[in-house]
Amino acid sequence: GAVVSQHPSRVICKSGTSVKIECRSLDFQATTMFWYRQFPKQSLMLMATSNEGSKATYEQGVEKDKFLINHASLTLSTLTVTSAHPEDSSFYICSARTVSTGDSYEQYFGPGTRLTVT
Amino acid sequence: GQNIDQPTEMTATEGAIVQINCTYQTSGFNGLFWYQQHAGEAPTFLSYNVLDGLEEKGRFSSFLSRSKGYSYLLLKELQMKDSASYLCAVLDSNYQLIWGAGTKLIIKP
Repeated sequence: GAVVSQHPSRVICKSGTSVKIECRSLDFQATTMFWYRQFPKQSLMLMATSNEGSKATYEQGVEKDKFLINHASLTLSTLTVTSAHPEDSSFYICSARTVSTGDSYEQYFGPGTRLTVT
Repeated sequence: GQNIDQPTEMTATEGAIVQINCTYQTSGFNGLFWYQQHAGEAPTFLSYNVLDGLEEKGRFSSFLSRSKGYSYLLLKELQMKDSASYLCAVLDSNYQLIWGAGTKLIIKP
C-alpha cells in the first residue's frame, strides 16, 4: 500500500515552453502533497505544500507564478513549470501524506520526474 | 533556526557495520525519519522514531535520544546495494519535515 505515482518520469522541453507533472496517490487519500526539487548531489529542497482544495503554500524563494500547483482532489496534484528555462532543469519529486489516528506523518514519495530544458 | 547535521560522506567495507549520526535542533519534535535514496531515484522510507531507544528492522536499526537531539542509523552486514544517500528528517511542531543534507555512503568490496 501507500503508492505514489508520478508522470512523466522524464521530460525534455524547449526553453519558454510549459511542462506539467502529475502526482497521484494510488491507494490512499492524500490530505497533503509536497513538491520537492533536487539538484545533482544536493539534498531535497521543499518547493511547496498543498492541501486538497486550497492554495499551495510556497517556500521562500519559490516563484508561485512560475511553479503552478493544483491539488484538485485527494489523489491528484499537478505541478506546472511555466516558461521553463535551462536553470529549471532538475529532478522534481512529489510526496503525499495522509493523516489518521496513530499515523506517523510519513511521506510517501513518487519516483520523481527528470526535467531537462534545452 | 532549524538545523539538522549529518556527515556528508562515509565509506565502509562490504560485510561490515556502519553508523550514520544525525543531530538536530528544531522548533518542536514529532518524530525523526530516516530515508534511503539511490542516485537518480526518489527517497524510500527506512525508519521512524518518536520515542527514545532503538528500533530494529532487519539489518537496519535506528536510535533516538530526544534529550540529546541525536539519532543514528546503524547498518549491519553491509551489501554493495546499500551504497546510497541516507537522509535524516525531523517532523517539527507544525508537522513539517525538516531535511538534513544527507550522508552519501560508499561501500567498498
